[in-house]
Amino acid sequence: GESVGLHLPTLSVQEGDNSIINCAYSNSASDYFIWYKQESGKGPQFIIDIRSNMDKRQGQRVTVLLNKTVKHLSLQIAATQPGDSAVYFCAENIIGGAGSYQLTFGKGTKLSVIP
Amino acid sequence: NAGVTQTPKFRVLKTGQSMTLLCAQDMNHEYMYWYRQDPGMGLRLIHYSVGEGTTAKGEVPDGYNVSRLKKQNFLLGLESAAPSQTSVYFCASSYSDRLPQHFGDGTRLSIL
Repeated sequence: GESVGLHLPTLSVQEGDNSIINCAYSNSASDYFIWYKQESGKGPQFIIDIRSNMDKRQGQRVTVLLNKTVKHLSLQIAATQPGDSAVYFCAENIIGGAGSYQLTFGKGTKLSVIP
Repeated sequence: NAGVTQTPKFRVLKTGQSMTLLCAQDMNHEYMYWYRQDPGMGLRLIHYSVGEGTTAKGEVPDGYNVSRLKKQNFLLGLESAAPSQTSVYFCASSYSDRLPQHFGDGTRLSIL
């Protein structure tokens, strides 16, 4: 099974409301996590990342929270806009068999913003 | 600054045909990656490279080969295409394996 997963496959929010997208990971040794946004027909776009020495990191309208105790992270989007409609992936940076780190992606959450 | 460029954007192949997908990056990144994305499966790593002249297997390498003859290019080859290889293929690159990867916009490949 996947070491990174999402609690909600789809999320619909009203424009202007805050959105919260959740992600669980299983590897307690993971120390680096990345959130990506993927719009239809495009490649994943980096949003924000967080390392395990932090519990919270803020960007422009986005905040990522990391709870190492329960192996959970979340992406919060403030004042959600129609342009935020996309699929959001969390990715876990884990060491691979050849000794270098790789990203393991969750299946994604589709965010739909209702105007 | 184009970032990561993938060619072609679309392709239809017949079973048994071969083809090469090209990825080019202009960011002087050391690391390059090939992923496939299938509905409901997220992105899965096929092969990757930690520098010019190196390649390594990812999670789903069977049926694919890669080459990194130049630092800026990473080629993905299908020697004998199968319908199970119908997917969207993404290339990514990064300065380090501990930094975010930058993705191209994908190649949509259908095998009939």
